[in-house]
Amino acid sequence: EAGVAQSPRYKIIEKRQSVAFWCNPISGHATLYWYQQILGQGPKLLIQFQNNGVVDDSQLPKDRFSAERLKGVDSTLKIQPAKLEDSAVYLCASSLRLAGAEGTDTQYFGPGTRLTVL
Amino acid sequence: AQSVTQLDSHVSVSEGTPVLLRCNYSSSYSPSLFWYVQHPNKGLQLLLKYTSAATLVKGINGFEAEFKKSETSFHLTKPSAHMSDAAEYFCVVSEGGGFKTIFGAGTRLFVKA
Repeated sequence: EAGVAQSPRYKIIEKRQSVAFWCNPISGHATLYWYQQILGQGPKLLIQFQNNGVVDDSQLPKDRFSAERLKGVDSTLKIQPAKLEDSAVYLCASSLRLAGAEGTDTQYFGPGTRLTVL
Repeated sequence: AQSVTQLDSHVSVSEGTPVLLRCNYSSSYSPSLFWYVQHPNKGLQLLLKYTSAATLVKGINGFEAEFKKSETSFHLTKPSAHMSDAAEYFCVVSEGGGFKTIFGAGTRLFVKA
């Protein structure tokens, strides 16, 4: 079974530029997550989709960050304009069951995109 | 509100000695608890998960964790450390089958030869 795919793996931009990250979850997984992991910290959930609807985006800086999951499959996370403090690894994860369902919901992570903002 | 506290930012052990990585949590509901490992330049990998079926959970690579509700703890242990265990470990709490996922700050495990 193929894992969660992310691209690009690395990106270097200057502040005030725009950048987009792409994620393709495991086939059949209903829930998709975007995390931001700043160096030396644990991942922080930015946004969570259930199929193509947003479940939780309470920690997404909506003035500069946006995300979509058209057709309930792959997803794009965009930053516009980027700031120095956005330098981080952006992780995408997916899980099989619908969020809110009984039982656990193991998340499977992609390799991440390392963003450096100069 | 839920939270996760990993009590040690760094743990150093000698190869062949036991490993203990500590995690305390708080949750308004019956949570699901996970431990993930992150090797340098690698993705996050699930070590084990607690789902209320059994308080002692066995995971991959000889790791296990015990859920103690009275102490709100979910510490990760391994009887004998191996050099390949050197990595960052994250304790994770999740409510509602995937809602409200929170990662701890992580514990860096060093293994000395």
